[in-house]
Amino acid sequence: GDKVKQSPSALSLQEGTNSALRCNFSIAATTVQWFLQNPRGSLMNLFYLVPGTKENGRLKSAFDSKESYSTLHIRDAQLEDSGTYFCAAEKGGNYKPTFGKGTSLVVHP
Amino acid sequence: EAAVTQSPRNKVTVTGGNVTLSCRQTNSHNYMYWYRQDTGHGLRLIHYSYGAGNLQIGDVPDGYKATRTTQEDFFLLLELASPSQTSLYFCASSGGQISNERLFFGHGTKLSVL
Repeated sequence: GDKVKQSPSALSLQEGTNSALRCNFSIAATTVQWFLQNPRGSLMNLFYLVPGTKENGRLKSAFDSKESYSTLHIRDAQLEDSGTYFCAAEKGGNYKPTFGKGTSLVVHP
Repeated sequence: EAAVTQSPRNKVTVTGGNVTLSCRQTNSHNYMYWYRQDTGHGLRLIHYSYGAGNLQIGDVPDGYKATRTTQEDFFLLLELASPSQTSLYFCASSGGQISNERLFFGHGTKLSVL
């Protein structure tokens, strides 16, 4: 089965609303990264996390290694937040990030 | 922001053809990676390397070779390309030290095998 499972697979939001994306891990993840792939295909690193939380503007991410999950919260969604969000987990310094299949997000006016 | 440059941006070849994808990073990162992205599969790791001359096998290595010639340069080789290798290929690099494993990606190479 998939070592990194993302949910939901697709999401549609109205501009100005909030939402949360989730990754569940079946590996003993020690670090998590979140990426946004924009409609042109470029991948941007949003967060690199050890267990704990980080915040950057309207985005906030949390990683709980004991419960094996991570979340990405989007507050006040904007049109430019549209794209595909990926999480990637790494186990114990093996330097081999494993990706989920992504959440496709569309923000509409 | 780390700089990772891939070339070419687009490539079309025929079945059985020979293809080399190039990647250069200019941030003195130790680790470099090749991923392929396909609809329904996300990004899957093909090969990776922790330094010049080193090669580690990823999760979907069949049909691919790779070579890390310098700290900066990592190449992906398809010696007998097949239509199943039609994909979007990404190169990435990271520092490769504890707490410095943040991945930075190139813009991708779209490969079509006819």
